[in-house]
Amino acid sequence: GQQVMQIPQYQHVQEGEDFTTYCNSSTTLSNIQWYKQRPGGHPVFLIQLVKSGEVKKQKRLTFQFGEAKKNSSLHITATQTTDVGTYFCAGHDRGSTLGRLYFGRGTQLTVWP
Amino acid sequence: DVKVTQSSRYLVKRTGEKVFLECVQDMDHENMFWYRQDPGLGLRLIYFSYDVKMKEKGDIPEGYSVSREKKERFSLILESASTNQTSMYLCASRSYEQYFGPGTRLTVT
Repeated sequence: GQQVMQIPQYQHVQEGEDFTTYCNSSTTLSNIQWYKQRPGGHPVFLIQLVKSGEVKKQKRLTFQFGEAKKNSSLHITATQTTDVGTYFCAGHDRGSTLGRLYFGRGTQLTVWP
Repeated sequence: DVKVTQSSRYLVKRTGEKVFLECVQDMDHENMFWYRQDPGLGLRLIYFSYDVKMKEKGDIPEGYSVSREKKERFSLILESASTNQTSMYLCASRSYEQYFGPGTRLTVT
């Protein structure tokens, strides 16, 4: 069945360092979404990528969708303590934008001040 | 703003009890979802629903059932709670992206 793998599971960085989390799907995805969950909170939608090779930026966050639409990454430049949380990727199977999302297990980011 | 609400933030139940977790969304979304979240395991889909009275099993439906009698409400039922169902339960609804409720932390003793 469909699987979405995400690495690393944990990342500890010092404030100001960069951070990247990677997402790989066992099958081609129709889109990829990224969510952030703050400690004690619930996942909140960040962004969606749809096109092969797409790159989107939100301030210090850069999101990429692979050419084959099977992998994605989230890169944070110069982390801040406000970036702390767990980042999840999630995708829909190719040809489907309805129904369920397949979530990765998430990368838990800790930032030392 | 889309709002997804869950009936309880914290719940403590005894083994064998029947447990109802309620979720309500206010944006007329057709799709609704129930996940459980455990440390290191991410979000695991229990059940989802495309429309009223329609349901689909997710990845871990055993021990759970669901009910969707009205579009805005999606209920998760633990027929006979067990200690291994102690977890954080998150409800979500979606149109474009998924909107999650605040979660219910269920402890089964």
